[in-house]
Amino acid sequence: NAGVTQTPKFQVLKTGQSMTLQCAQDMNHNSMYWYRQDPGMGLRLIYYSASEGTTDKGEVPNGYNVSRLNKREFSLRLESAAPSQTSVYFCASSEVWGGTNEKLFFGSGTQLSVL
Amino acid sequence: AQTVTQSQPEMSVQEAETVTLSCTYDTSESDYYLFWYKQPPSRQMILVIRQEAYKQQNATENRFSVNFQKAAKSFSLKISDSQLGDAAMYFCAYRSKVWGNKLVFGAGTILRVKS
Repeated sequence: NAGVTQTPKFQVLKTGQSMTLQCAQDMNHNSMYWYRQDPGMGLRLIYYSASEGTTDKGEVPNGYNVSRLNKREFSLRLESAAPSQTSVYFCASSEVWGGTNEKLFFGSGTQLSVL
Repeated sequence: AQTVTQSQPEMSVQEAETVTLSCTYDTSESDYYLFWYKQPPSRQMILVIRQEAYKQQNATENRFSVNFQKAAKSFSLKISDSQLGDAAMYFCAYRSKVWGNKLVFGAGTILRVKS
């Protein structure tokens, strides 16, 4: 089983460039999430989608946009990359929003460097 | 807003010994979930153990157990008979039962296992 697949695994951007991080899950999960991981700060939620057709801001949404393309796919876009967005990005999914099955499944991460 | 604090940036343990990782959290809610996630060098996030706040009994999963002190808002992870494969970054995380599957993570503790 593929689980949660993120692409690309590594990316280097110049300040001001744009890019989209792709995420797809094959577990028929309703909820999907984007986190960023920074040293000394753990993982912080950028955006989430409780179900297909809905998206909401997390803790650190500034500079990002998301699209829940369908039930499987949830993309994260950086319109004008900044060095402060250098981070490791994780996509995750879960079966139900707020349900008792609280387990999140994570992708393997995208290492993004903005120069 | 909930916060999670891991006060130990790094810990070391000898193979076959026992180590305890600390975690404290702040919340005004009475019912919630707490988790420990393991992140090996592969960057994959792996759920180690979870605890439901209304359950007084401490959760255990094989060599992993927690010491949940609700009044003190403390949630430590004990790893018994440490193995080389336990070397990883460990994250403590909080999930509100009200706010769905949004996880709040601590900054993480790097665990090194010496042979």
